[in-house]
Amino acid sequence: QSALTQPASVSGSPGQSITISCTGTSSDVGHYNYLSWYQQHPGKAPKLMIYEVNNRPSGVPDRFSGSKSGNTASLTISGLQADDEADYYCSSYTGIITGLVVFGGGTKLTVL
Amino acid sequence: EVRLVESGGGSVKPGGSLRLSCAASGVSFNKAWITWVRQAPGKGLEWVGRIKSRSEGATTDYAAPVKGRVTISRDDSKETLYLQMNSLKIEDTAVYYCTIGLCSGTKCHYDDAFEIWGQGTMVTVFS
Repeated sequence: QSALTQPASVSGSPGQSITISCTGTSSDVGHYNYLSWYQQHPGKAPKLMIYEVNNRPSGVPDRFSGSKSGNTASLTISGLQADDEADYYCSSYTGIITGLVVFGGGTKLTVL
Repeated sequence: EVRLVESGGGSVKPGGSLRLSCAASGVSFNKAWITWVRQAPGKGLEWVGRIKSRSEGATTDYAAPVKGRVTISRDDSKETLYLQMNSLKIEDTAVYYCTIGLCSGTKCHYDDAFEIWGQGTMVTVFS
C-alpha cells in the first residue's frame, strides 16, 4: 500500500491561511470518508486534529478545517500562529485487504 | 486521565527479537481496539497493526512489511498490550507508538481517528 501524497513543505506568515493537500486513490481517500489529519511537533507523539474529513475533536480550534474532493483531501489552517509550526500527516482507512490504514508522507509547516 | 505508556524498546541485531509493551490507564481497556504505529527516524508515520477487543475475538491485522514477523497480543487483566517482533530488520528501526481511536458519543473510530497516543518507544536494529 503506497503512502498518500503530501507536499513536503508549506509555509505562511502569522495570520495567514495555508492549505495542505493529501492525494490518494479511489481505493482509499476516494472511497472512504475516514480521512484524518495529525499534527506532530518535534519529539512528540502525533495529535489528532481532524477526523472523518472535516470533524474536529474536542479542544481543536476551529482555525483547523478539512475537506475532500475525489481522491484528494485538504487541511486548511487559518489565522496561522507560531505554534502551528509542525509536521502534518493525513491518513485514510483503506479496508482490510490492503492493510487498514495508510498515512501520508507528511508536510512540514513553517510559520515565517 | 487517559494514558498509554510504551516500554521495551532498545537495540538489537538483525534477526533478533523484542517485545514491546503498552500499558493503559484511564480507559476501558477491555473494550478498546488498539493499534501500533511506527515512525522511522526522520520519516513519516506507518501503520503496523491492530488488535480488536477480546469480546470481538481479539482479532489482529498487520501491515504487509511486518506480517509474519510480529504478533500483537493483549492481557486485559493487566491492561497491557504487547507487540512481539521477531526476525527484526534494519528497516524496522523506528519509534513505536500504541494508539486508540476516538470515541464520540456512541460511535468509536477503531481503525481511524487515533486520538490517544503513548509517548513512543525506540527500537534500533543495527549490526
